[in-house]
Amino acid sequence: DAKTTQPPSMDCAEGRAANLPCNHSTISGNEYVYWYRQIHSQGPQYIIHGLKNNETNEMASLIITEDRKSSTLILPHATLRDTAVYYCIAKQTGNQFYFGTGTSLTVIP
Amino acid sequence: NAGVTQTPKFQVLKTGQSMTLQCAQDMNHEYMSWYRQDPGMGLRLIHYSVGAGITDQGEVPNGYNVSRSTTEDFPLRLLSAAPSQTSVYFCASSIDREAGNTIYFGEGSWLTVV
Repeated sequence: DAKTTQPPSMDCAEGRAANLPCNHSTISGNEYVYWYRQIHSQGPQYIIHGLKNNETNEMASLIITEDRKSSTLILPHATLRDTAVYYCIAKQTGNQFYFGTGTSLTVIP
Repeated sequence: NAGVTQTPKFQVLKTGQSMTLQCAQDMNHEYMSWYRQDPGMGLRLIHYSVGAGITDQGEVPNGYNVSRSTTEDFPLRLLSAAPSQTSVYFCASSIDREAGNTIYFGEGSWLTVV
């Protein structure tokens, strides 16, 4: 699976969009990009995933660049409850989920 | 709708003791796995199973055993606890391990080895 690189921490003002970047420059064509988040002391929670196209669900949007070397998770209107560690994972079919250290997002009132 | 259930939630062990962390899921998921998370770190895969009777090692399997006698249960055994095994342990499951299938995590088991 491709290695992913994320900034260790970010801040975002409450009510504003939070844009979390992820670099996966060695991603292969059949690797999906997944995003999970972990709110303090809880089990990780699935957010969204995608292969090539941009994706949107009730929680977030995922923007994948055309060359698939990077992606951005967008939380459109961040709330205090979105404060968490966000993990970007590139995963191939049949392989396991390997988590890195993620981005610690702090939403500021 | 229980999802993934882990027990116990908290446990203190003495060095050298053995114990089993229990994990059960009621979603008929084929794939189950165990992770550990040390302070300030991401999750590291210990062992996983793609179905009843089948298990395999992850990144950090040493000191742990697993078995999968049923689809529902995937216990993690610490054979001889060491202080380095002090961590939070998460069990996870998904329908299978194919891309496109999300995984669901339990709430964690906090283990301290003294």
